[in-house]
Amino acid sequence: RKEVEQDPGPFNVPEGATVAFNCTYSNSASQSFFWYRQDCRKEPKLLMSVYSSGNEDGRFTAQLNRASQYISLLIRDSKLSDSATYLCVVKPDHPGSARQLTFGSGTQLTVLP
Amino acid sequence: EAGVTQFPSHSVIEKGQTVTLRCDPISGHDNLYWYRRVMGKEIKFLLHFVKESKQDESGMPNNRFLAERTGGTYSTLKVQPAELEDSGVYFCASSQGFGLTNEKLFFGSGTQLSVL
Repeated sequence: RKEVEQDPGPFNVPEGATVAFNCTYSNSASQSFFWYRQDCRKEPKLLMSVYSSGNEDGRFTAQLNRASQYISLLIRDSKLSDSATYLCVVKPDHPGSARQLTFGSGTQLTVLP
Repeated sequence: EAGVTQFPSHSVIEKGQTVTLRCDPISGHDNLYWYRRVMGKEIKFLLHFVKESKQDESGMPNNRFLAERTGGTYSTLKVQPAELEDSGVYFCASSQGFGLTNEKLFFGSGTQLSVL
């Protein structure tokens, strides 16, 4: 079983739609959670961190459910420029951890005009 | 401010040859990471330097891979001899330090390695 599981998609949605991505992680020692965005043939870039209380950044809302080991990302009023692959990323934070990130395979989103 | 730079952006080599990838982290960043994404798979951790020291190399696939960071500045990742399964995109990332704010990773644009 993969440490971080994501629906690979692709998700094809019209402009203005709301779309949600889900992610589950298997390592209960995971302490930090992130969503990264990767454009085609580009490097991953941090979109937002995910906090236990849930957090919002403009049109983007991230949620964390530690009991279910589940993370979500909601994009409202989607734009053409949101088209990308969204990577769910977790990081252990226990003593002795190397602090390396564990990536999901990514969910591909295409926003259509 | 310059970001993380990687060289070359693409490399095509034959099986059995040697390839050296280079990464220049953001100036002042003590932490340097190598990651790899092979076709159809997720990005996976290879190793982590703190300054010139290897903090964790648990992700290195085998002894054909050698990473160095002499002087704690730029890093190289050498593959010798390269095999077909080494093909993929090799990303380098750097961060300033530990802690929630300082540990934001900045990625380079990657080196696409193709072994034929």
